[in-house]
Amino acid sequence: EDQVTQSPEALRLQEGESSSLNCSYTVSGLRGLFWYRQDPGKGPEFLFTLYSAGEEKEKERLKATLTKKESFLHITAPKPEDSATYLCAVQAYSNTGKLIFGQGTTLQVKP
Amino acid sequence: ETGVTQSPTHLIKTRGQQVTLRCSSQSGHNTVSWYQQALGQGPQFIFQYYREEENGRGNFPPRFSGLQFPNYSSELNVNALELDDSALYLCASSLVAREVPYEQYFGPGTRLTVT
Repeated sequence: EDQVTQSPEALRLQEGESSSLNCSYTVSGLRGLFWYRQDPGKGPEFLFTLYSAGEEKEKERLKATLTKKESFLHITAPKPEDSATYLCAVQAYSNTGKLIFGQGTTLQVKP
Repeated sequence: ETGVTQSPTHLIKTRGQQVTLRCSSQSGHNTVSWYQQALGQGPQFIFQYYREEENGRGNFPPRFSGLQFPNYSSELNVNALELDDSALYLCASSLVAREVPYEQYFGPGTRLTVT
């Protein structure tokens, strides 16, 4: 069964304290892995797509990487405005319309 | 470029009633997917519509149904509402070109409360 597990469930950082979020996945034929950011009561905001192991994408303080079993979202020198829930999702070749999400990591960055 | 819009923002219904949620896709997109997100959980795939037909469905009963219109907008209908249907309902639009699907962009969601 295709599934996604994110860790940790919650993460508290001081402003400027870099860290990484983990997304482990099991999928039969990975077409793409997606990272989203979700603020409370809002819809997920698209961040990155990764297609193959070894691929990396960057946007401001965020960097996403992909291996054959997991993905990491690295946050460098975070700011309070980076506080949000970060969701990871996979898309399989067998059903490209469906995103399978993890439960998310809730990040709080304190000033 | 207009993003994904959903209506209404909030909705309160009674158990056993029926509800219709609406979604307008992002400009240039031709596919709409619907997700249910319970509090503290990741979104769960309900179904996707492409070329006005259902194109894949998650583990949801038949009382969850949908439509896609020629302008690519979509509706989600839920019959015989149950208390567990209380959730944030998310619509996501994407482009499928030459059978290749691209990223899904989400709307703000509709918060449904069933009492």
